[in-house]
Amino acid sequence: EVQLLESGGGLVQPGGSLRLSCAASGFTFSSYAMSWVRQAPGKGLEWVSTSASDGITTHYVDSVEGRFTISKDNSKNTLYLQMNSLRADDTAIYYCAKPYSSAVPGTRTFDFWGQGTMVTVSS
Amino acid sequence: EIVMTQSPATLSLSPGERATLSCRASQTVSGNLAWYQQKPGQAPRLLIYGASTRATGIPARFSGSGSGTEFSLTISSLQSEDFAVYYCQQYNNWPLTFGGGTKVEIK
Repeated sequence: EVQLLESGGGLVQPGGSLRLSCAASGFTFSSYAMSWVRQAPGKGLEWVSTSASDGITTHYVDSVEGRFTISKDNSKNTLYLQMNSLRADDTAIYYCAKPYSSAVPGTRTFDFWGQGTMVTVSS
Repeated sequence: EIVMTQSPATLSLSPGERATLSCRASQTVSGNLAWYQQKPGQAPRLLIYGASTRATGIPARFSGSGSGTEFSLTISSLQSEDFAVYYCQQYNNWPLTFGGGTKVEIK
């Protein structure tokens, strides 16, 4: 059974940092690209970042480029999102998401999601 | 960036009725279009990928169609559990983008 368990969310002041983790199980983590998708309170879904299966190639939405870093530790079956210079508009539930396929373009759409971790940026 | 526009924003229907949701892309996404369902307090669930392929375990009353820039999701006969918010997502180009959602509510 596929499981994705996010952690690391919380309340942080503007300009602060957080590191989110997503512990994966039930599938061959090293074979899959993995992504973070967020949802601000009462709003829609926004893709944040994707790491290729080997963790080398990464992609980011423009609004987090240079502030957030995605990484993938295949030895620990864990995905990370290092978030720096946090702003109020980063406030959201952050979901870790697994794609339905290990082959492009199926790596970019998501059939398993974690329960999400809430990040609140406020003074 | 490809902008995804969903319509209508809200669809008010009764159980048993047919629902048709639309999604338009600002430029072609070929067939690289997915649909998700999200209920309050839950993570999204993948319904359709490749514009028309149902994901594992998705009932046959859900169907997707379209290509290029115009897509639709049809629910042939609404069940009580289908009242939710639906999102389309293009995955043809980076950045990946979602539509703003269509809420299907009970009339």
